[in-house]
Amino acid sequence: GAVVSQHPSRVICKSGTSVKIECRSLDFQATTMFWYRQFPKKSLMLMATSNEGSKATYEQGVEKDKFLINHASLTLSTLTVTSAHPEDSSFYICSARRQGGLAGELFFGEGSRLTVL
Amino acid sequence: RKEVEQDPGPFNVPEGATVAFNCTYSNSASQSFFWYRQDCRKEPKLLMSVYSSGNEDGRFTAQLNRASQYISLLIRDSKLSDSATYLCVVNLYNFNKFYFGSGTKLNVKP
Repeated sequence: GAVVSQHPSRVICKSGTSVKIECRSLDFQATTMFWYRQFPKKSLMLMATSNEGSKATYEQGVEKDKFLINHASLTLSTLTVTSAHPEDSSFYICSARRQGGLAGELFFGEGSRLTVL
Repeated sequence: RKEVEQDPGPFNVPEGATVAFNCTYSNSASQSFFWYRQDCRKEPKLLMSVYSSGNEDGRFTAQLNRASQYISLLIRDSKLSDSATYLCVVNLYNFNKFYFGSGTKLNVKP
């Protein structure tokens, strides 16, 4: 079964609104989670590394004020797309590593498809 | 330059065929390498890690060439269920940065 749960799976919103996406590790604690964005037929682009109890580390070119990440507990990280615009429409996906699992194995959430009208 | 590059394909092969994918990475400090599988509109899932000595898991064989900075995946006796996109993944900084290739699409046909 799924070990990382992501919600919502689909969201449609109006331009200018903010959207929050949750990523939960279901049966393990994740001190680090990763947020990716994927465009159709393109690779997963690492947006940021979410660190429990501290600030997220953003990749170059990713606006931290646009994509707010909060990792308030060992099982939950949230990504908020603020003042969303049509160009923010994409597939957002989170992942986490499980300690004791296969070295380097990432468990992914089911992804969230955002459509901004 | 992209961290990881792959031929997007698609590779269209008949059942039973052998197919190979290559992937190149740009950072010589890359430490670990993986192949993930992604089905359409689904999340990626780990297929196999890639070890320096090469490794095999059933019909799947992965190879790493550090000197040339590429990794490969060989699939023997292709099944219809192997149809998917195969993502090459490279890890930097001891598991805290993973970079994905754009994926190679495989279509196995009856």
